[in-house]
Amino acid sequence: QVQLQESGPGLVKPSQTLSLTCTVSGYSITSGGYYWGWIRQRPGKGLQWIGNIYYRGSTFYTPSLKSRVTMFVDTPKNQFSLKLSSVTAADTAVYYCARVDGSGSYYFDHWGQGTLVTVSS
Amino acid sequence: SYELTQPPSVSVSPGQTASITCSGDKLGDKYVCWYQQKPGQSPVLVIYQDDKRPSGIPERFSGSNSGNTATLTISGTQAMDEADYFCQAWDSSTEGAIFGGGTKLTVL
Repeated sequence: QVQLQESGPGLVKPSQTLSLTCTVSGYSITSGGYYWGWIRQRPGKGLQWIGNIYYRGSTFYTPSLKSRVTMFVDTPKNQFSLKLSSVTAADTAVYYCARVDGSGSYYFDHWGQGTLVTVSS
Repeated sequence: SYELTQPPSVSVSPGQTASITCSGDKLGDKYVCWYQQKPGQSPVLVIYQDDKRPSGIPERFSGSNSGNTATLTISGTQAMDEADYFCQAWDSSTEGAIFGGGTKLTVL
């Protein structure tokens, strides 16, 4: 049973860097066949894809956030992480990590429970 | 940039069939998937690659995709199906995932 769990600060000050980690259990991220992704949902709004990463390091980022996003993988810990720099109140959202189909369809088949990150001074 | 358009809301009576559409330019050339999200919960994949159901998803959920429109169909809709539904596709030109704005399904 694949499970994902987000962790990180729930409160970040404006202009600082948001850092989240997703711990994967029940599946080794180095097994291949899947990407690992981040999606966010602003309060009361829809889903916004942030980016995907493969365990070997290749990444895809959404154009609107590309200049501020970094994703990386920690294979020994079976984790992957998200950094979003220069945050503003507009980055307040529930952040989800998910496993991503790697066959070319790129659907998200397993999701974490999500973590609310509030940007406020 | 590529966009997916969904109706904001759809209503259906219990036991009837609900259809939720997702529109985009030449969407039929892409694979579409659908997620169900209930209040306070994470999204759940209910349809992938246009018409495939993941393990554990009831047979009443089905999908289709042709031309410019993908459709999620829920047959014999139950009260437990009341939720927000999001379509999603991969835009190969920008190498990015695109979500529709979401549709609130009300069962009344």
